[in-house]
Amino acid sequence: AQKITQTQPGMFVQEKEAVTLDCTYDTSDPSYGLFWYKQPSSGEMIFLIYQGSYDQQNATEGRYSLNFQKARKSANLVISASQLGDSAMYFCAMRENPGANSKLTFGKGITLSVRP
Amino acid sequence: EAQVTQNPRYLITVTGKKLTVTCSQNMNHEYMSWYRQDPGLGLRQIYYSMNVEVTDKGDVPEGYKVSRKEKRNFPLILESPSPNQTSLYFCASSLSHRVGEQYFGPGTRLTVT
Repeated sequence: AQKITQTQPGMFVQEKEAVTLDCTYDTSDPSYGLFWYKQPSSGEMIFLIYQGSYDQQNATEGRYSLNFQKARKSANLVISASQLGDSAMYFCAMRENPGANSKLTFGKGITLSVRP
Repeated sequence: EAQVTQNPRYLITVTGKKLTVTCSQNMNHEYMSWYRQDPGLGLRQIYYSMNVEVTDKGDVPEGYKVSRKEKRNFPLILESPSPNQTSLYFCASSLSHRVGEQYFGPGTRLTVT
């Protein structure tokens, strides 16, 4: 089973509107972290937001917020007031059981296109 | 400025010619890792290091070597590159293996012909 599932192949949103990018995850560890990264066409990976499994509140960072539904194992990214510069690939990732390795397991990504 | 740097950013080489991709971070991070990104497969971990002289295999280590002689540097070595190692490579670091988001380098686009 996939650890991180991002099923939306591509998303379109009108500038200034909000958009939700879906992510579901699978883990049996009680302690884990969820991340969202943005990859613009230039290729770099930009950290956006982090949610810990024990965090009581949903994480927010500026226009980014994470809709964390632990029972449903979902960690959707919400981008408010979309901008043209938000057009990029977005990856959801998970770090679980940080014992020997802190690797991130990534989903396959979602392409977001913001229309003017 | 806190950052992870990689060199080179772009490299075209031929099968069998040994190469090294350097990675350096200036944040005094303990944990460093290499990933490769391929279309439709997302990012997969190649090797990681929890501290100086402590390295271990990730999910796709075949054909790669690493070393961690200094805390700031974590080079990726391809002893005999093959075309299936054509990929986009990322180095990443975090404060430790337990905490902190992973900061990524700018990526190295490698083509092996």
